[in-house]
Amino acid sequence: AQKITQTQPGMFVQEKEAVTLDCTYDTSDQSYGLFWYKQPSSGEMIFLIYQGSYDEQNATEGRYSLNFQKARKSANLVISASQLGDSAMYFCAMREGNNRLAFGKGNQVVVIP
Amino acid sequence: GAGVSQSPRYKVTKRGQDVALRCDPISGHVSLYWYRQALGQGPEFLTYFNYEAQQDKSGLPNDRFSAERPEGSISTLTIQRTEQRDSAMYRCASSLVGTSTDTQYFGPGTRLTVL
Repeated sequence: AQKITQTQPGMFVQEKEAVTLDCTYDTSDQSYGLFWYKQPSSGEMIFLIYQGSYDEQNATEGRYSLNFQKARKSANLVISASQLGDSAMYFCAMREGNNRLAFGKGNQVVVIP
Repeated sequence: GAGVSQSPRYKVTKRGQDVALRCDPISGHVSLYWYRQALGQGPEFLTYFNYEAQQDKSGLPNDRFSAERPEGSISTLTIQRTEQRDSAMYRCASSLVGTSTDTQYFGPGTRLTVL
């Protein structure tokens, strides 16, 4: 069974606008972590933001914020004030007690000037 | 260096050959992970180590794949008798303490092509 679901097709966003990337997850664990990574065309995997299952506040890191809705099992990434350099594939991942990361299939974002 | 490094960055080999992929984690990181990423997909877990001990190898697809980390730092992922279906990006990651809240930092990957 797929643990992380990212189903949005490729997204185009205007520079300086905000974009929301959807991520839903499936787990029966009480303790888990949710991560977002950015993969630009160069191929690196860049860590963006982390949310723990017990964290009451939504995580924020600069222009990135995570909209964590535990009851709905969703962990959407919000990128504010998009920049051309934000064009990339974005992966949502979950870490359960076994320490491995389970990744979704990714969301492609293209920022247009 | 500051980040995770991997070598080689690109490897082209013929079917049936053995390959060894190397990962040098961030200094001081206890845990080291190997993932494989097919084109258009997210990375898939292969195996991980805490120090030199292999904690979980359940993601290795078959017995042609093995990994070691003999001194608790550099790790080698070995694929014996490579097949075309082994072609993928192989990614290494490391984390400080290997707990569920710990962030994994990825290296640039090794792009393996099996002809």
